[in-house]
Amino acid sequence: SAVISQKPSRDICQRGTSLTIQCQVDSQVTMMFWYRQQPGQSLTLIATANQGSEATYESGFVIDKFPISRPNLTFSTLTVSNMSPEDSSIYLCSARLGGEQYFGPGTRLTVT
Amino acid sequence: DQQVKQNSPSLSVQEGRISILNCDYTNSMFDYFLWYKKYPAEGPTFLISISSIKDKNEDGRFTVFLNKSAKHLSLHIVPSQPGDSAVYFCAASGASNTGKLIFGQGTTLQVKP
Repeated sequence: SAVISQKPSRDICQRGTSLTIQCQVDSQVTMMFWYRQQPGQSLTLIATANQGSEATYESGFVIDKFPISRPNLTFSTLTVSNMSPEDSSIYLCSARLGGEQYFGPGTRLTVT
Repeated sequence: DQQVKQNSPSLSVQEGRISILNCDYTNSMFDYFLWYKKYPAEGPTFLISISSIKDKNEDGRFTVFLNKSAKHLSLHIVPSQPGDSAVYFCAASGASNTGKLIFGQGTTLQVKP
């Protein structure tokens, strides 16, 4: 199994600012993913981050708004840029290991 | 367009009885299905999965049934325990589980002692 940690666990940010969320996996993984869970909604995939290549974004998500880094096989960051209240969500990091997919505890972001 | 649907937002059962959580999907290209459990302030925890080549997979108290013709799957928990109280998400993946998961809206299960 994989243990995934995220920082920060929660934050309250002002409109127009940016926040970078860090994700650390205790094992080396090829595939990492970033999901978003808006209030009362399901989890939605933002992008897939593979080490050594550009992140692949899902429809409705763009790199300028959600830049992602993947510097090595255990770490990734997601930045939420130029935030608005609509970005208030839980952001979850996920990693695929041994055929199964594991999730971090999430970062609860509130934009005021 | 919601490709994975969990039409029951909540379910309440008595301890010791069976819990049945349902999930429907629309995309026939999905070939791998998973159930996750989520407690407040935690990330989803993998419970059980099933490939489209099977119609049943069992792991302890948890059994997942897949009806491909109806595009329907269900999770049975027997016997239900108070510690099972959580939000349960159904998820689907195509192309033999690439890791890109499409989630349902979740069902909140409450198991009463």
